[in-house]
Amino acid sequence: AQKITQTQPGMFVQEKEAVTLDCTYDTSDQSYGLFWYKQPSSGEMIFLIYQGSYDEQNATEGRYSLNFQKARKSANLVISASQLGDSAMYFCAMREPNTGNQFYFGTGTSLTVIP
Amino acid sequence: DAGVIQSPRHEVTEMGQEVTLRCKPISGHNSLFWYRQTMMRGLELLIYFNNNVPIDDSGMPEDRFSAKMPNASFSTLKIQPSEPRDSAVYFCASSRRTSRIGELFFGEGSRLTVL
Repeated sequence: AQKITQTQPGMFVQEKEAVTLDCTYDTSDQSYGLFWYKQPSSGEMIFLIYQGSYDEQNATEGRYSLNFQKARKSANLVISASQLGDSAMYFCAMREPNTGNQFYFGTGTSLTVIP
Repeated sequence: DAGVIQSPRHEVTEMGQEVTLRCKPISGHNSLFWYRQTMMRGLELLIYFNNNVPIDDSGMPEDRFSAKMPNASFSTLKIQPSEPRDSAVYFCASSRRTSRIGELFFGEGSRLTVL
């Protein structure tokens, strides 16, 4: 079974609108971490936001927030007030610290912000 | 602080040649990962090390690929002999396994083209 599933290969959003990128995960560990990374066309991988499995509050970093629904095993990324510079690939990832610090990445979602 | 440093940034070689990619992780990080990214297969984990010890190399495509981490500040990924299907961007990433978040810090990648 896939550890991280991103079902949206591509998404479009109007500039200044909010967009949600979906991510579901699969783990039997109680302790894990969830991450979102951004990869612009220049190719670098940029860490955006982190959610720990024991964190009760949804993580927020500026315009990024992580909608964490533990029972549903989902960790959706919400980008508010989209900007043209948000156009990029977005990867959801999970870390399992108790099983050797393995990191699992999803297949990514390509986001295009339309002016 | 210096980030993860990879070299070379670009490599063009002919089929059958040996290719060596190099990585210097962030000082103090004790986990190191090698990923390969292609359009067809996305981001694939090749191998990762904890404290210089290979933990999981199940993602290494075949015997033509080998990776070493002789010390905490250096790792190599070698392909011998190279084939056109090895053309990809190879990312090295490091993390501090014991930190609460333990996010991956990526290098800028090595773009390999095998003719």
